[in-house]
Parts: sequence; structure tokens; C-alpha cells
Amino acid sequence: AQSVAQPEDQVNVAEGNPLTVKCTYSVSGNPYLFWYVQYPNRGLQFLLKYITGDNLVKGSYGFEAEFNKSQTSFHLKKPSALVSDSALYFCAVRDTSTNAGKSTFGDGTTLTVKP
Amino acid sequence: EPEVTQTPSHQVTQMGQEVILRCVPISNHLYFYWYRQILGQKVEFLVSFYNNEISEKSEIFDDQFSVERPDGSNFTLKIRSTKLEDSAMYFCASSRTGQNTEAFFGQGTRLTVV
Repeated sequence: AQSVAQPEDQVNVAEGNPLTVKCTYSVSGNPYLFWYVQYPNRGLQFLLKYITGDNLVKGSYGFEAEFNKSQTSFHLKKPSALVSDSALYFCAVRDTSTNAGKSTFGDGTTLTVKP
Repeated sequence: EPEVTQTPSHQVTQMGQEVILRCVPISNHLYFYWYRQILGQKVEFLVSFYNNEISEKSEIFDDQFSVERPDGSNFTLKIRSTKLEDSAMYFCASSRTGQNTEAFFGQGTRLTVV
């Protein structure tokens, strides 16, 4: 079984400050990990993924995420937040033995960046 | 940039009616999926489809749901007799392979059952 937890429903940061959106996961094998962003009334946009290799992965719009196997975490980060980053962020996990699309999504974290 | 497209963007239907949600996956992708997001809730997996058959489905995907790839480009989700609780945003997604690739999502179809 696979599961993912996003412990914070809401994250508020000031523009220009660093941001972190937390995600922890559970899989029986090795994880594939993904971050998606959803703007109001829009679909899910892929931000970045961890498959293998470097623990720090870089994605779209200046976002990055760090895979930490011992803590089973994959937190999303950005050094300097923009107001336009305000959106709903989903972490997703897939066990490497499962089909690509059967990802399990977290409940989502609403990021609000204030000017 | 290639993208997954879904039509219609919004569908209103009466309870008990059949609806068909349509998707055009990215052309060189081989795996196709439907997800559902009830308003304010998490994104839930419904079904995956590969090589013209369902490869996996969730407990949500009961007998009232079906999927089809009627031609080389479209991928459809049919709900036979809609219920109020079927109201949700339905996302189609596709991926190039069944392993270490991300799924690309469409913009979604908002289904409202009245």
C-alpha cells in the first residue's frame, strides 16, 4: 500500500521569503515522488519528480524538492516566494512496482504568498 | 507543447442520466487514466488503461463507470446513471510509459449532477 501525508492544510509566507511545503510518504518498495500545482479552476500542473539519483531535484518555476529516505519525506521548497506562487500544491507518491498513473495524492496544501 | 485536452469543461446533467466525458491524451503516450476530485477534497484515482484494457481500477470505479478508447486519439469515461455524489472535477491524464514517468493532466471536466 502507498500513502502520502501533507501535514499542513495552509502555508502562509511573505513575498521574497523562502517557502517549504511538507510531504511525507509511505510505500512498501521504492518511491517515485511528484509535486503538482493546481491554480483555481485549473488542472494539475506537474512541477517536479524524484525517481532516482540526486536527492535534490529541481523543477519548474524555481521550485525544488529534497528527497530524504530516512525521514520518508519529499518537501517542496523555493528560496524566494512570489505572489503568483499562491495555489494548491499536491504531493503524490507511487510505488515503483505499480503502474505509472496510479499515484496516491496527498490532501493538498494551500500556499498563500502575501505581498 | 503537447497537452491533454478534455471536453466539455463543464457538464450539468440530471440525476439518472448518462454522461460521457472526453479526453484526448498526448499523442505518443501509451497509458491513460481518470482521476476525480470532489470539491475541496483530494485527487482520487479511478482507473488506468493500457493496451486497450483496464490495467487497474479503484473501489470508486464500480459498474456504473466504464472507459473506452473508441479510436486512435480519444479516451472516454462514461457514467451510466449519474448520482448527486458523482458531482466532481474529473481529470484525464496520460503518461508515456508505465514506469518512471510523470502523468500529464488535462484541465478537467467539472460535472454537476442536479
